[in-house]
Amino acid sequence: GAGVSQTPSNKVTEKGKYVELRCDPISGHTALYWYRQSLGQGPEFLIYFQGTGAADDSGLPNDRFFAVRPEGSVSTLKIQRTERGDSAVYLCASSLGGYAYNEQFFGPGTRLTVL
Amino acid sequence: DAKTTQPPSMDCAEGRAANLPCNHSTISGNEYVYWYRQIHSQGPQYIIHGLKNNETNEMASLIITEDRKSSTLILPHATLRDTAVYYCIAPTNFGNEKLTFGTGTRLTIIP
Repeated sequence: GAGVSQTPSNKVTEKGKYVELRCDPISGHTALYWYRQSLGQGPEFLIYFQGTGAADDSGLPNDRFFAVRPEGSVSTLKIQRTERGDSAVYLCASSLGGYAYNEQFFGPGTRLTVL
Repeated sequence: DAKTTQPPSMDCAEGRAANLPCNHSTISGNEYVYWYRQIHSQGPQYIIHGLKNNETNEMASLIITEDRKSSTLILPHATLRDTAVYYCIAPTNFGNEKLTFGTGTRLTIIP
């Protein structure tokens, strides 16, 4: 079956611009996660959705970052006034949700480059 | 989350067993140990998880010491496709919460 997909695969933008990154989770997965990965580092948690609501947004670095999941499926990560330090691979993951442990399935990521 | 410590890199000969250690001396009684790996230019992939009993699946085995302060991931017959960064994670909340990745162990399989 289809896995987690992310678009675009690469995004180059200029400092100060606004960008949107899209994540399509696996069908039926109620939990969705965003992570950010800088070169040579492990992924860093940004935000977690359970259904439509953000259950944990403690990883968002500042108020320039915002994410939505209006219908409980597709999610969009929005970054305003991009800075060069925002350059990273942005990873999305989804899982079945619920109270038991469910593995997270990751997408291939969007590589964001801010010039 | 419990702090985990892994060696930064390891090599293993193709066809041999790869044994990747992880120390998690501050782990609490209800914290599971999870392993993920990340092949170059891909997203992380779940491998296995356990609480206190040894676990085995089609990908690997997980051996957790009796005091739960350390564990070892075993890839029984390593192939070149197993070259990846391996992450050991012990999150505080069981279930659908964030994963805290460290820098992991970069495993290189040598032909």
